[in-house]
Formats: sequence, structure tokens, C-alpha cells
Amino acid sequence: DGGITQSPKYLFRKEGQNVTLSCEQNLNHDAMYWYRQDPGQGLRLIYYSQIVNDFQKGDIAEGYSVSREKKESFPLTVTSAQKNPTAFYLCASQANFYNEQFFGPGTRLTVL
Amino acid sequence: EDKVVQSPLSLVVHEGDTVTLNCSYEVTNFRSLLWYKQEKKAPTFLFMLTSSGIEKKSGRLSSILDKKELFSILNITATQTGDSAVYLCAARPNTGNQFYFGTGTSLTVIP
Repeated sequence: DGGITQSPKYLFRKEGQNVTLSCEQNLNHDAMYWYRQDPGQGLRLIYYSQIVNDFQKGDIAEGYSVSREKKESFPLTVTSAQKNPTAFYLCASQANFYNEQFFGPGTRLTVL
Repeated sequence: EDKVVQSPLSLVVHEGDTVTLNCSYEVTNFRSLLWYKQEKKAPTFLFMLTSSGIEKKSGRLSSILDKKELFSILNITATQTGDSAVYLCAARPNTGNQFYFGTGTSLTVIP
């Protein structure tokens, strides 16, 4: 089955700890994205990557970092510098410029 | 500043009703508008619209784009409880990989 997987589904962390969210796709898509979703705010872009070993900041990149060492994988690290990390995080991929984005099931991060 | 605004923010209807969801956009060098349905988790793709006035249809759902007035509507006829979800629209420009999302319309269909 082709698709996007995110793990874990739920994540709890103490304040001040870094945490890494996983995103894997087997769709052979070039582009991958990370969004943050907060109640009443829609989806906000954190980072995106068009090809391996290249990525760009989105609107709210501060306090986050990413890597794109393999086409299939685009992990997101939420660092202790992120002031309000509790949110729902969505990963997406896109085959090429002309196509829609496909989304993973999301990770709900709660920082205690 | 590029932005997408959806209305209403939330809507409660009875099964069988017809609903119209609105999405207006201001995006420099606009290319296309997309609609997604989000039921708790992953948004699922519904439609992508690039041309004005051409209706896209899938079962009871349909959507149309007006590039002159900068808006799109999503219609759902004969609503069912399974249509309850948040409906997101997103606009994308002709350059770059940015998609601009609205805040969504929360639709609740009651039996």
C-alpha cells in the first residue's frame, strides 16, 4: 500500500526536551512538507523540501529543524527553542509541482 | 500578504440539507485552488481547480472557481452524517512550493 506514515501518533514530552517526529512516504514523491495545525488557525508551513539534501523554511520555522537525507524520509525535530510546541503536526508529500499534496495521519505532540 | 479566508467558520445542518462553503483568496500569481476534507486526522484531497467557471463534481460534492472575484465554493447536496468534517481550502501560486491554507469550515450534519 502506498502512502505516508507518521509516528508516533501521540507524543508527550517534558518542557525543554528536543523531540523528533517521523515522516516516511513510499509514493516516490519528490517534495515533502511539514505543517503545524492549531485550533482555529488552519495549517501553517514549517519546512518543505523539494529534493534530497535540500529544504527551505516556511512561515514558522523558528524552533524547528529538519533533514532530508533520503527521498522517502523527512523527520522534523522540535527543539527546546520552540516556545509553544503543543500542536498537531502533519506531514505531506507531493509528486511534482502540478499535483496536489497527500497528507499523513499526523502526530499530536503535547509538552507538559 | 497572501491569504485565504473561509466562511462560515462552522455550520450545523440536518441530514438531507444542501450546504455551500466559501473560500476567498488573495495570492500573488495565483495558480490553483484545492479543497480537502479533514476528519480528525489526515486531510484527504477533494478537488483541484485551475480554470474559472468549470465545475468539478464528485458524487454529491461539487466545486467551482471564480478567478475574477477570487473565490471558490464547495457544494454538498443531500448531506449525510459522514460528511461531518472540517473542510479546508488552499491556494497556491505559480512559483514556489507554498500552499496557503484557510482556517477551515467545520461542518456538522445531524440526523
